[in-house]
Formats: sequence, C-alpha cells, structure tokens
Amino acid sequence: GQNIDQPTEMTATEGAIVQINCTYQTSGFNGLFWYQQHAGEAPTFLSYNVLDGLEEKGRFSSFLSRSKGYSYLLLKELQMKDSASYLCAVMDSNYQLIWGAGTKLIIKP
Amino acid sequence: DAMVIQNPRYQVTQFGKPVTLSCSQTLNHNVMYWYQQKSSQAPKLLFHYYDKDFNNEADTPDNFQSRRPNTSFCFLDIRSPGLGDAAMYLCATSSGKGGAYEQYFGPGTRLTVT
Repeated sequence: GQNIDQPTEMTATEGAIVQINCTYQTSGFNGLFWYQQHAGEAPTFLSYNVLDGLEEKGRFSSFLSRSKGYSYLLLKELQMKDSASYLCAVMDSNYQLIWGAGTKLIIKP
Repeated sequence: DAMVIQNPRYQVTQFGKPVTLSCSQTLNHNVMYWYQQKSSQAPKLLFHYYDKDFNNEADTPDNFQSRRPNTSFCFLDIRSPGLGDAAMYLCATSSGKGGAYEQYFGPGTRLTVT
C-alpha cells in the first residue's frame, strides 16, 4: 500500500528552527509537495521537490532523498504565524497526490 | 485576483437531506479536484476532472456525485448525507496533471450534518 508518515505534532519556540520530517512509500514518484494549512483554512502550497537535494525559499527550505523515501521541511526564524499544520504529499506514478495527515506545529513565545 | 471560490463557506444540512456544494475558478485550469478532509486527517480525494474527463476514486461512496458543466464550475452533490459525512470539503485546481503542477485550493466548505 501507499503510505506517508509524518509526526502528529511538534512544538518549537519563536525565533528558533524546526525540522518536520516525512517518509513515504508510494507506487512510483513524480515529486513531493509541502503545504501549509492554518486551522479551518485551505492548504497553501509551500514547496515542490522532484530531484534530490535542498530547495530554499526564504525562511523555508525543503529537502528530498528519493533513495531513502525521505523529505524534510525546515523552518527558520520561527514566527507565531507559522503555527499551522504542515502536510507532506507525494505524487505517485498515476499522478495522484498521496497525502500525509499533517504535522501540527505549535509555536511558543 | 485569480482564485478558487467555494460556496457556501459553512453549510448545515439535516441527516438524509440532499446538499450541493459549489466551486468556481478564474484560473482557467484544466483539472479540478474535490477532497474531503476530517479533523487532523489527510485530505481524501473524492473525484477529479481533467477537462471533461471524470475520474471517480474507487473508494468514493455512491452517495457522492459530481458535475462539471464548464471549465469554471464544479459541483459536489451529497445525495443523502449521513453524520459521517460531516467534514471540510475542499475544491482544488491545477493547470495540468504532471508532477510539477501544484494544486490551488479554495477556502473550503465546512459541512455539518444534524
């Protein structure tokens, strides 16, 4: 079966750095997405990785290792507004998005 | 601004009373998706359209139907809502089905079944 695993919840301090991990087992791979979802709102796109390595976009970076079936989202200089759920999603060989349940990130002052 | 719009944002219906949720987009995207998302769970794909080509996920209950009368609009019909159908319903669009095409989500419709 297809599976995306990510921690259910993480807590971090304002101004710090946090890494949210995602491991996946899917039938084929056509890229990995990270989305941010604030409570009661729709997901918004953060990043897309299809090749191994690190993609940096401002305070957010995303890393991919296809051989390990592993990705992480790195958030730097955390702000209170970063409190949200972060969803990892993998596009399989049929171009279907397989979603993780999300990691709820709690930022404390 | 180009966007994905969902109406209504909040919908309350009675057990067994049919309900229709709507989605419109000004992005002129070929692909439209309907997801169901329950609290602290992953979005679950119900249907998607590639232009007029309709794709029904294998585990989508028969109680759920969808229509896409034109590029801009898509509807989700729940014929006989049950308590288990209470969820956030998300509409999304993308310009293609390939790997690099991100999905743009509407704000969602939160459905309550009484």
